[in-house]
Amino acid sequence: QKEVEQDPGPLSVPEGAIVSLNCTYSNSAFQYFMWYRQYSRKGPELLMYTYSSGNKEDGRFTAQVDKSSKYISLFIRDSQPSDSATYLCAMSASNAGNMLTFGGGTRLMVKP
Amino acid sequence: DAMVIQNPRYQVTQFGKPVTLSCSQTLNHNVMYWYQQKSSQAPKLLFHYYDKDFNNEADTPDNFQSRRPNTSFCFLDIRSPGLGDAAMYLCATSRGLAVNEQFFGPGTRLTVL
Repeated sequence: QKEVEQDPGPLSVPEGAIVSLNCTYSNSAFQYFMWYRQYSRKGPELLMYTYSSGNKEDGRFTAQVDKSSKYISLFIRDSQPSDSATYLCAMSASNAGNMLTFGGGTRLMVKP
Repeated sequence: DAMVIQNPRYQVTQFGKPVTLSCSQTLNHNVMYWYQQKSSQAPKLLFHYYDKDFNNEADTPDNFQSRRPNTSFCFLDIRSPGLGDAAMYLCATSRGLAVNEQFFGPGTRLTVL
């Protein structure tokens, strides 16, 4: 079993829809959670960073962490075609360590 | 603009023929990382440098080596590429070791014939 599980998709939604992307994990030591966006043929770009459980909002993006269920989510409101990309979750047990454990990514397609 | 640059963007090599991938950064970051990302898979950390200190992940094959001649440049050497080494290779940098500070380059896609 992988440490971090993420549905590969593709997830196809119409423009303006609310998108929900999710990851589950098995390591209860994870405390730092990130979401990266990766456009085709580009490197990952950090979107959201959260510590422990709770919600964090940034514009159209909301990250949620439920440590009791070992489940994290990224919500995208009013989705745009420019949001079409692969979204990777990543997590770490330590903020000062270099080890990030990534999910395999979910490919999102937002259709005009 | 400060950035992470990888060259070449696409590299084709033959089975067993050594290849070197290059990464440079204008961010003056202390830490440089190399990740391997196979198609539709998560990036996998191969190794990282904190300044000149080299840190190899336990499961990184000996076939993969790295050099960091100065702060700005880091190289990934694959001594004898196999078909299974075909992947996207991502370079990342960070000022320190905080997990949320890694900036990724665009990647080099390696094809092994």
